[in-house]
Amino acid sequence: AQTVTQSQPEMSVQEAETVTLSCTYDTSESNYYLFWYKQPPSRQMILVIRQEAYKQQNATENRFSVNFQKAAKSFSLKISDSQLGDTAMYFCAFPPFQGAQKLVFGQGTRLTINP
Amino acid sequence: KAGVTQTPRYLIKTRGQQVTLSCSPISGHRSVSWYQQTPGQGLQFLFEYFSETQRNKGNFPGRFSGRQFSNSRSEMNVSTLELGDSALYLCASSESPGLAVFNTGELFFGEGSRLTVL
Repeated sequence: AQTVTQSQPEMSVQEAETVTLSCTYDTSESNYYLFWYKQPPSRQMILVIRQEAYKQQNATENRFSVNFQKAAKSFSLKISDSQLGDTAMYFCAFPPFQGAQKLVFGQGTRLTINP
Repeated sequence: KAGVTQTPRYLIKTRGQQVTLSCSPISGHRSVSWYQQTPGQGLQFLFEYFSETQRNKGNFPGRFSGRQFSNSRSEMNVSTLELGDSALYLCASSESPGLAVFNTGELFFGEGSRLTVL
């Protein structure tokens, strides 16, 4: 079964620090996408970054980057120079099979950036 | 381009009542899916519709139902509400596989409908 595990329910860092959120997953697919979504308090969930499994190069989007280890089925998110606006729930997710129009989500990590 | 729109944003019901939630997808998106979000269970997939047909269904009782209209707008209905149905219900839309060169599975979410059952 396709599962996603986020082992850190909550994290808290000071503004401008770097923080890494962990995610492991399980799938029998060979090619797939992985996503990190962000859900700010009382606001809609938005895509932060995505990784294509067949690409060895880690995805980056400005201050957000991933460390993708396909063999270990690990997909961590690194936030550099964290900002107050990064405070949110972060969810790791992936489609259970290629072409699926649904996502399997982890339980989420509540990240708080302190001033 | 307008985002995913969900109505109502907040609602309060009592046990035994029924509720209908509405979702308008991003223009051009033909797939609509619904998720239930609770603190205990996290995000759970409810169902997904494409071209007015339910293609996938999660592990929820028959009290949870949905439909999609020809304009891709979708509704979900929960009958005989229980206290445990209190949750944030999220709608998401995506491009259909037939149109996308490579379907990434990326979803675009609405702000959700927060249902409280008393």
